[in-house]
Amino acid sequence: QQPVQSPQAVILREGEDAVINCSSSKALYSVHWYRQKHGEAPVFLMILLKGGEQKGHEKISASFNEKKQQSSLYLTASQLSYSGTYFCGTERDSGGGADGLTFGKGTHLIIQP
Amino acid sequence: GAVVSQHPSRVICKSGTSVKIECRSLDFQATTMFWYRQFPKKSLMLMATSNEGSKATYEQGVEKDKFLINHASLTLSTLTVTSAHPEDSSFYICSATVGTFLSHADTQYFGPGTRLTVL
Repeated sequence: QQPVQSPQAVILREGEDAVINCSSSKALYSVHWYRQKHGEAPVFLMILLKGGEQKGHEKISASFNEKKQQSSLYLTASQLSYSGTYFCGTERDSGGGADGLTFGKGTHLIIQP
Repeated sequence: GAVVSQHPSRVICKSGTSVKIECRSLDFQATTMFWYRQFPKKSLMLMATSNEGSKATYEQGVEKDKFLINHASLTLSTLTVTSAHPEDSSFYICSATVGTFLSHADTQYFGPGTRLTVL
């Protein structure tokens, strides 16, 4: 089942912060975050595993709340290069091997100077 | 490291022809590769999971006889769209992971995608 992302779109001025949410009704093993620019393939940002962890590097971080099956991506002091569509991809907790990802519909982020 | 290539990047073909798309992991061995399809302004949809040396696992609603997947080696998977029709026009993207049968939650590295247009 496709995870739900919110908001659908957000427009920020350079330097502002943004939060993108991803929630699932299914038990998740992991949440993957990607950014895709128009006409290009998705670029990996980070993975979060069940167990409720938080990750980040520089101004992009994320958290995963296993109990709520929710993940949030935090973009602080946004830069023009952050513009794009952000997808969360969820991996089922099926107990088996590597699974393909089920992606949300994406959140369009536009950063204006 | 962890570069995935796809070939061709763009293909235009006539209705009824077959098209083969290659996905290669250039600097690592990928035990598992995935094929996704993305329609304009839509999300990526998983089509199938391909493990080296075994038959691909297709997602519900994906015709295995139409989308033939071969994972002949640890660095190459191919997707053949047979008897392509205009509704098959889409952006096809592969990803590769070093995840083994017993592990998951490994990073999926995406190829640059192949844009297929069927006239």
